[in-house]
Amino acid sequence: QKEVEQDPGPLSVPEGAIVSLNCTYSNSAFQYFMWYRQYSRKGPELLMYTYSSGNKEDGRFTAQVDKSSKYISLFIRDSQPSDSATYLCAMSAGNAGNMLTFGGGTRLMVKP
Amino acid sequence: ETGVTQTPRHLVMGMTNKKSLKCEQHLGHNAMYWYKQSAKKPLELMFVYSLEERVENNSVPSRFSPECPNSSHLFLHLHTLQPEDSALYLCASSRGRTGGETQYFGPGTRLLVL
Repeated sequence: QKEVEQDPGPLSVPEGAIVSLNCTYSNSAFQYFMWYRQYSRKGPELLMYTYSSGNKEDGRFTAQVDKSSKYISLFIRDSQPSDSATYLCAMSAGNAGNMLTFGGGTRLMVKP
Repeated sequence: ETGVTQTPRHLVMGMTNKKSLKCEQHLGHNAMYWYKQSAKKPLELMFVYSLEERVENNSVPSRFSPECPNSSHLFLHLHTLQPEDSALYLCASSRGRTGGETQYFGPGTRLLVL
């Protein structure tokens, strides 16, 4: 079993839709949770960062962490074609030298 | 584009060649990382350097040899690679190595081994 599971997609939605991206994990020691966005032929860029359980909102993006279920989500409201990218979840236990464990990424396509 | 730059952006090499990948960070960070990103696989951490000292080596074959001459530069020396080593090689940096420090990625070097 992979330590972090993420549906690879592709996920195709019409412009303006609400997008839900998810990851599940098995290591209960994870405390720091991140979402990275990676455009084609680019490196990953940090989108959202959350510590422990709870919600965090930044513009059209909302990150949720449910540590009891070992489940994290990223919601994108009013999705735009420019949101088309691969979204990677990443997490860290915080006591292992900032080692990140990544999901495999979900490819999102927002159609105009 | 970002505070982390990588050269070259694309590289094609034969199995008997020797080449080097270069990474430079302009963020004043103290930790640097090499990752491998293969198709349909999660990012794999290869090496971690903190204050120019290698602190992690994630069971990477010896045909990959990292070098960190100072806190701003990181190299990955390649020799006698295999076709399965073809991938996107990403460099990242962070302010430190305490838990939760954000890692900033470069654009990557896309490597093809023939």
